[in-house]
Amino acid sequence: GENVEQHPSTLSVQEGDSAVIKCTYSDSASNYFPWYKQELGKRPQLIIDIRSNVGEKKDQRIAVTLNKTAKHFSLHITETQPEDSAVYFCAASKGGATNKLIFGTGTLLAVQP
Amino acid sequence: GAVVSQHPSRVICKSGTSVKIECRSLDFQATTMFWYRQFPKQSLMLMATSNEGSKATYEQGVEKDKFLINHASLTLSTLTVTSAHPEDSSFYICSARDDRAGQPQHFGDGTRLSIL
Repeated sequence: GENVEQHPSTLSVQEGDSAVIKCTYSDSASNYFPWYKQELGKRPQLIIDIRSNVGEKKDQRIAVTLNKTAKHFSLHITETQPEDSAVYFCAASKGGATNKLIFGTGTLLAVQP
Repeated sequence: GAVVSQHPSRVICKSGTSVKIECRSLDFQATTMFWYRQFPKQSLMLMATSNEGSKATYEQGVEKDKFLINHASLTLSTLTVTSAHPEDSSFYICSARDDRAGQPQHFGDGTRLSIL
């Protein structure tokens, strides 16, 4: 089955610096890649997603890049702020009416003021 | 829009008790609902996928007789943990999606289940 690996498991950056989180997936049929942000004890919130027909997508300070050949995708956060501190999860799915998300192991991002 | 309500937010009960968790889509029709389990500092592990009016599809290793799922309407799915034991203590999160609208999954706030 699909396997999603995520690195690093923890990431500490200074406020204003950029943060990059990387994920690799195993199933070449995967075609949808969302990123979720989860604060402690709260629900995961979708922050950005990308489909396999696009190589890059940007939304203000957040961007996601996808390399289908290498089967990896990355989350880029620029000008980090303390409120960006949370656990970030990548996920992958194959698409279709009943597609399920396979989540990565998560990255704890700490933005130091 | 796309609000998912999960209830209760926290449950503490004795071993052997059965616990029901509700997941409701408040402003959209959820053709598919998912149930996840999350241990501290770990990822979300999919337990089962449910479609309205159909039997749930369970992931490998998840006991269907232990975790009963009912998706009776387009706005409500329930997860019942039967005869819960301390090892069932975890954070359970549902998500919902309207496949007809091509929506991403929207998550509930989760239920913290503690079995004494």
